[in-house]
Amino acid sequence: GAVVSQHPSRVICKSGTSVKIECRSLDFQATTMFWYRQFPKKSLMLMATSNEGSKATYEQGVEKDKFLINHASLTLSTLTVTSAHPEDSSFYICSAREAASASNEQFFGPGTRLTVL
Amino acid sequence: AQSVTQPDIHITVSEGASLELRCNYSYGATPYLFWYVQSPGQGLQLLLKYFSGDTLVQGIKGFEAEFKRSQSSFNLRKPSVHWSDAAEYFCAVGLGAGTALIFGKGTTLSVSS
Repeated sequence: GAVVSQHPSRVICKSGTSVKIECRSLDFQATTMFWYRQFPKKSLMLMATSNEGSKATYEQGVEKDKFLINHASLTLSTLTVTSAHPEDSSFYICSAREAASASNEQFFGPGTRLTVL
Repeated sequence: AQSVTQPDIHITVSEGASLELRCNYSYGATPYLFWYVQSPGQGLQLLLKYFSGDTLVQGIKGFEAEFKRSQSSFNLRKPSVHWSDAAEYFCAVGLGAGTALIFGKGTTLSVSS
């Protein structure tokens, strides 16, 4: 159990286009999902916290108008990179916390590799 | 501010040798503690976690970690490393239920034959 999927696993797009990344909890309900970004050979940096039915909370320095997050259901959160530029190329990973859990355990998706040409 | 430190950027061990990866955290209370492993281009796999109780925790793939409150450490160990253990290892802490994780910068493990 406790599986999180991401789609797509890889995406290549042209500069100026928008890309949507989906994060799904497959066998549990997730009231909270987190979006992280990982640069090559770097650690994971939290971008935003997504709560079902409410606006996402963005970390300092993350442009909320550029990285649109929607968490419309208990099993799906989406990250849309708007007007993507080459500097947005990165590995994006989501995680989900089970609604019924009293602990801090999160389950991570396999990540999405975004390349902006 | 809360932080996680992994002092070793890159470690090389011989296959069959023992391994210890260090992790220290800065936080007033005992956080939730995790070790993850990441292979190139892949997502994160949870090796083990500590929430409370026995300070020596067993994980998957023969890994274990020991929480030492006095040293604010949560070091990862394996008695005999296999070539397939070569990967990036991340220590992470959670400061409370429902909060995001704070990751260390990672330690790259290479295994020599």
